[in-house]
Amino acid sequence: GENVEQHPSTLSVQEGDSAVIKCTYSDSASNYFPWYKQELGKRPQLIIDIRSNVGEKKDQRIAVTLNKTAKHFSLHITETQPEDSAVYFCAASQAFSYSSASKIIFGSGTRLSIRP
Amino acid sequence: ETGVTQTPRHLVMGMTNKKSLKCEQHLGHNAMYWYKQSAKKPLELMFVYSLEERVENNSVPSRFSPECPNSSHLFLHLHTLQPEDSALYLCASSQQNTEAFFGQGTRLTVV
Repeated sequence: GENVEQHPSTLSVQEGDSAVIKCTYSDSASNYFPWYKQELGKRPQLIIDIRSNVGEKKDQRIAVTLNKTAKHFSLHITETQPEDSAVYFCAASQAFSYSSASKIIFGSGTRLSIRP
Repeated sequence: ETGVTQTPRHLVMGMTNKKSLKCEQHLGHNAMYWYKQSAKKPLELMFVYSLEERVENNSVPSRFSPECPNSSHLFLHLHTLQPEDSALYLCASSQQNTEAFFGQGTRLTVV
């Protein structure tokens, strides 16, 4: 089955600097890669996603890159701000061929801290 | 509101108790999921349902029993749990291969 590895587990950056979180996946059938942010005591929420037919996607200060050949994808946050402090999860998803559901496997998470 | 509601928010139960977690989604999604979130395994997939049919059981012990009576409701029935089952249980819903929306979770403590 699918296995998603995420690094680093913790990351501390100076406010205004960039943060990069990397993930690898094992199953080449995975074709949808969402990233979630979970603030303390809250539910995970989607911040950006990318599909396997795209190599890069950007939304303001957040960007995601995907290398299908190497089976890895990364989250880039530029000009970090205190409100970026949270746990970030990557995920790899593939649809079940016989149903309308998907198998969404998450990485182990990265705790990002922004130093003022 | 994301449209996924879980009850109760907190639950303390003894190892011999039987309890149920409830999840309801108002998003018209066809798929619903149970995840377990703990310090050891932050977001561990337990079960996947598609239009009331279970399509995935991720090697979950039989003391966890899911039920999906319709596409809007999902339950997780609990019995004879162990202290290591204490965790945050998150429900989610989605359409196929799109954003999953999570509920706020049930914080379960087994004593």
